[in-house]
Amino acid sequence: KNQVEQSPQSLIILEGKNCTLQCNYTVSPFSNLRWYKQDTGRGPVSLTIMTFSENTKSNGRYTATLDADTKQSSLHITASQLSDSASYICVVSDRGSTLGRLYFGRGTQLTVWP
Amino acid sequence: EADIYQTPRYLVIGTGKKITLECSQTMGHDKMYWYQQDPGMELHLIHYSYGVNSTEKGDLSSESTVSRIRTEHFPLTLESARPSHTSQYLCASSESRGAGTEAFFGQGTRLTVV
Repeated sequence: KNQVEQSPQSLIILEGKNCTLQCNYTVSPFSNLRWYKQDTGRGPVSLTIMTFSENTKSNGRYTATLDADTKQSSLHITASQLSDSASYICVVSDRGSTLGRLYFGRGTQLTVWP
Repeated sequence: EADIYQTPRYLVIGTGKKITLECSQTMGHDKMYWYQQDPGMELHLIHYSYGVNSTEKGDLSSESTVSRIRTEHFPLTLESARPSHTSQYLCASSESRGAGTEAFFGQGTRLTVV
């Protein structure tokens, strides 16, 4: 069964600190993995995309890693800001159908305190 | 900034009423999706479309229906709303490309049925 598991479920950190969010997946055949940021009451917005051959990709203070062998990904946030408070969702796409089905994790709810 | 729009953003309606949630995109994407998301939970696919006159049911059973008469428009209709339909509904669109295809999300419609 294709699944995406994220940890931790929620996380509280102080402003300026770093944090790492985890994503494990069983989706096969794998196409790509995206990390989305979803602010409360809004739609998800893509942060990074990782394809099978990529190990690390950065987008400003966000750095995503992918280990396709162990089917694990992480999202590292550096020097957190109050505006980073949101749900971070790991989304894996398969290439087994023309739809390119998206599989969503439940997200990690990050709260940054001043 | 994604060019995909949902209206209304918030809707409170009585049981038994018919409602239509609107979704429009100006990116010319052929694939469009409707997701349902309860607080703190993952997104569940309820409907998708490959293009005009193509609609399919998603993974999560839903009493709603959709239509795709125009490429840019993908409305979702509930003939008789019930309290169990209370949820957030997210519309998304994507192109028909291979690995790396990104789904763009609307802001969502938060529906409350009383």
